[in-house]
Amino acid sequence: DAKTTQPNSMESNEEEPVHLPCNHSTISGTDYIHWYRQLPSQGPEYVIHGLTSNVNNRMASLAIAEDRKSSTLILHRATLRDAAVYYCILRDNFGNEKLTFGTGTRLTIIP
Amino acid sequence: DSGVTQTPKHLITATGQRVTLRCSPRSGDLSVYWYQQSLDQGLQFLIQYYNGEERAKGNILERFSAQQFPDLHSELNLSSLELGDSALYFCASSVGTGQVYNEQFFGPGTRLTVL
Repeated sequence: DAKTTQPNSMESNEEEPVHLPCNHSTISGTDYIHWYRQLPSQGPEYVIHGLTSNVNNRMASLAIAEDRKSSTLILHRATLRDAAVYYCILRDNFGNEKLTFGTGTRLTIIP
Repeated sequence: DSGVTQTPKHLITATGQRVTLRCSPRSGDLSVYWYQQSLDQGLQFLIQYYNGEERAKGNILERFSAQQFPDLHSELNLSSLELGDSALYFCASSVGTGQVYNEQFFGPGTRLTVL
């Protein structure tokens, strides 16, 4: 599986935008970029995914670099409930559905 | 609430024992995945079942086994337990297989403590 690199931790003020970076320089053409997050004492939950184009959903936006070697998860207005570990995961679309979690980024929201 | 249920929530047992963890996927989901989360190894994929058949295997020990029943619930059996097996065990489910937007829904986990 192609590897991803994320900062260990980040802090952000409540109600401000948060940009969570992810580097994936060895991404292959068939790899989709997925983001999951794990809130304290809960199982992981899906956030967003994309292939080449930027994506938006009700939770977040995903900005993908033109060369696809990096991406950024954007939380437009962080709340205390967004404090979690965020995982950037690459997964191909040839039936390999397992998720390979790295160490993720622990996001702290400051009230 | 993801719609995935796991029982029991907590399990405390002794070394050498055998335990069974149970997972009920979301209604309509055919794929079930098992993951282990420990402090030193992080979240690791163990095994996937799709419609009753084993589909993919990860770093699952030989002492561990799993199955998916006709009603699509799954069980993870852990035997000859060691202290190092203490971890959170998550089950996840997804609609099917071969779909690129195959979002996985995770259950709340079973916390296993081996004494």
